[in-house]
Amino acid sequence: AQKVTQAQTEISVVEKEDVTLDCVYETRDTTYYLFWYKQPPSGELVFLIRRNSFDEQNEISGRYSWNFQKSTSSFNFTITASQVVDSAVYFCALTGIQGAQKLVFGQGTRLTINP
Amino acid sequence: AAGVIQSPRHLIKEKRETATLKCYPIPRHDTVYWYQQGPGQDPQFLISFYEKMQSDKGSIPDRFSAQQFSDYHSELNMSSLELGDSALYFCASSPGLAGGPAKNIQYFGAGTRLSVL
Repeated sequence: AQKVTQAQTEISVVEKEDVTLDCVYETRDTTYYLFWYKQPPSGELVFLIRRNSFDEQNEISGRYSWNFQKSTSSFNFTITASQVVDSAVYFCALTGIQGAQKLVFGQGTRLTINP
Repeated sequence: AAGVIQSPRHLIKEKRETATLKCYPIPRHDTVYWYQQGPGQDPQFLISFYEKMQSDKGSIPDRFSAQQFSDYHSELNMSSLELGDSALYFCASSPGLAGGPAKNIQYFGAGTRLSVL
């Protein structure tokens, strides 16, 4: 069975601080995809990144960066110089690679950036 | 770029009524997924379709049914509504094997917020 754990339920920081959201996963699959989605207060789910299990290169996109470590089954997400617009619930998710498979989500981390 | 379209955005129903939620996937996406998100919870997978055939089934109540039509849009039919069905219902679509690098990325619609009174 697949499982995703986001131990941080809520995080609150002041604008311009760096913040890291943790994600730990469990799967018996040898190949899989990991994702991060953002859910702003308006409610939609916005795709941020997909990482496949055989590519452990870290990725940076502007103020966002992702650290994938297969050895510790973790896929952490860091926002540098946070902004108020980053306030949202962030979900980490996992799916298999073969065919059209469902996303298994973590419980989500509610991030609040205070001005 | 075109996104996943869900209608209606909001729906209010009474207990024991029926509801139909519609989803129009991104053009050339052949796979549709339905998820249910209760208040303060993560999205839970209900059902998926690939090329108009049911692909996978999750924790979908027997009172719910869904299908994907020839134009790839999908409908989620919910009958004998209960208070516990109040939730945000998401539809997502993804490209199939021809999707290249975007294969297996699920793009979500804005959701339908269902309130059962």
